[in-house]
Amino acid sequence: AQSVTQPDIHITVSEGASLELRCNYSYGATPYLFWYVQSPGQGLQLLLKYFSGDTLVQGIKGFEAEFKRSQSSFNLRKPSVHWSDAAEYFCAVGSANQAGTALIFGKGTTLSVSS
Amino acid sequence: DAGVIQSPRHEVTEMGQEVTLRCKPISGHNSLFWYRQTMMRGLELLIYFNNNVPIDDSGMPEDRFSAKMPNASFSTLKIQPSEPRDSAVYFCASSSPPYRYTFGSGTRLTVV
Repeated sequence: AQSVTQPDIHITVSEGASLELRCNYSYGATPYLFWYVQSPGQGLQLLLKYFSGDTLVQGIKGFEAEFKRSQSSFNLRKPSVHWSDAAEYFCAVGSANQAGTALIFGKGTTLSVSS
Repeated sequence: DAGVIQSPRHEVTEMGQEVTLRCKPISGHNSLFWYRQTMMRGLELLIYFNNNVPIDDSGMPEDRFSAKMPNASFSTLKIQPSEPRDSAVYFCASSSPPYRYTFGSGTRLTVV
């Protein structure tokens, strides 16, 4: 079955410290991979996506993610976290062969930033 | 572009009442998705449409839930009768391929 696992429910990081949010997926076909961010009371906003090519992808707000096929992972990173990065982050997977199908989301990781 | 518009933003209703959530997708997007977000289960796909046709409704919890998309600019999600366990945030998203999703701001439903 297709699934996305985000092992960390809640992470707290000091402002200025680096961040890594983990994402593992189980998908029978070639995956398209996504990271979204959700601020309180808002919908989801796309941070970055991986379709093919370079396995290190850059996104908005200084985020990047690396696709590792051998580990079925797509971890999100940021070298220096800002207080405004506090939010909920979702990893999602879709099918490269069936782009009209729905994304499957992980349960999310809540990021808190301490001063 | 006004984005995906959902209404109402908040809904409080009594158990047993009918609830209708509405969604206006982005013009030109040919896919529409309904998701439900809860603390316990995260973001669950309820149903999605391609070109106004329901493709997969396997995520609809039970017969109390129904969704329609009568035209390319409007969709509804109806719960009848509502129960307290239906309390959640319901998101509508529209997309053009591949996976160019835009989410609405959600409807927070509370059933008391």
